[in-house]
Amino acid sequence: DGGITQSPKYLFRKEGQNVTLSCEQNLNHDAMYWYRQDPGQGLRLIYYSQIVNDFQKGDIGEGYSVSREKKESFPLTVTSAQKNPTAFYLCASSIRRSYGYTFGSGTRLTVV
Amino acid sequence: QQQVKQSPQSLIVQKGGIPIINCAYENTAFDYFPWYQQFPGKGPALLIAIRPDVSEKKEGRFTISFNKSAKQFSLHIMDSQPGDSATYFCAASNFGNEKLTFGTGTRLTIIP
Repeated sequence: DGGITQSPKYLFRKEGQNVTLSCEQNLNHDAMYWYRQDPGQGLRLIYYSQIVNDFQKGDIGEGYSVSREKKESFPLTVTSAQKNPTAFYLCASSIRRSYGYTFGSGTRLTVV
Repeated sequence: QQQVKQSPQSLIVQKGGIPIINCAYENTAFDYFPWYQQFPGKGPALLIAIRPDVSEKKEGRFTISFNKSAKQFSLHIMDSQPGDSATYFCAASNFGNEKLTFGTGTRLTIIP
């Protein structure tokens, strides 16, 4: 079955540590996205990539980093510079020049 | 800058009633308006979408109404069921931009 796989589902991190969230898709989609979801704030765009080896910051990209070395993979690193990292993180993908997003099931990150 | 405003934040409706969720946008370049449905602990899933060349679109019990002059669009759920209880997000994008801008979400509860 085609889809987007996010792992792990739950992640705990100590303050001051970097952590990487995995996102893999087998939909042959060109574009991939990372969103952060907080209660009452909806979905906010962190980073996006429209093709391999190219990516741009979204509205709240500070304190995060990404890579896009393969079409199928778009990992997100939450760095120690991110002031409030506890949130639900969602990865999505789409065929370039189309509108439909497919989302993964999310990773809930908690800083302890 | 929030470009898509969604209301209400939460909504409780009796089974069989017609919940209505409203969204307003600012960017007149937007030309695609989807609604996503999200169950707890899951990623959002595309429910229905509309382009600005039509004023209404129906898919099953879900209807989008679109008012281009007012820059508003809304989701109506006919004959609502407890299984419709979820968080609903409106969103908007334009073809050149490709990124979706989401509203803040509406938590809908359908009571038996």
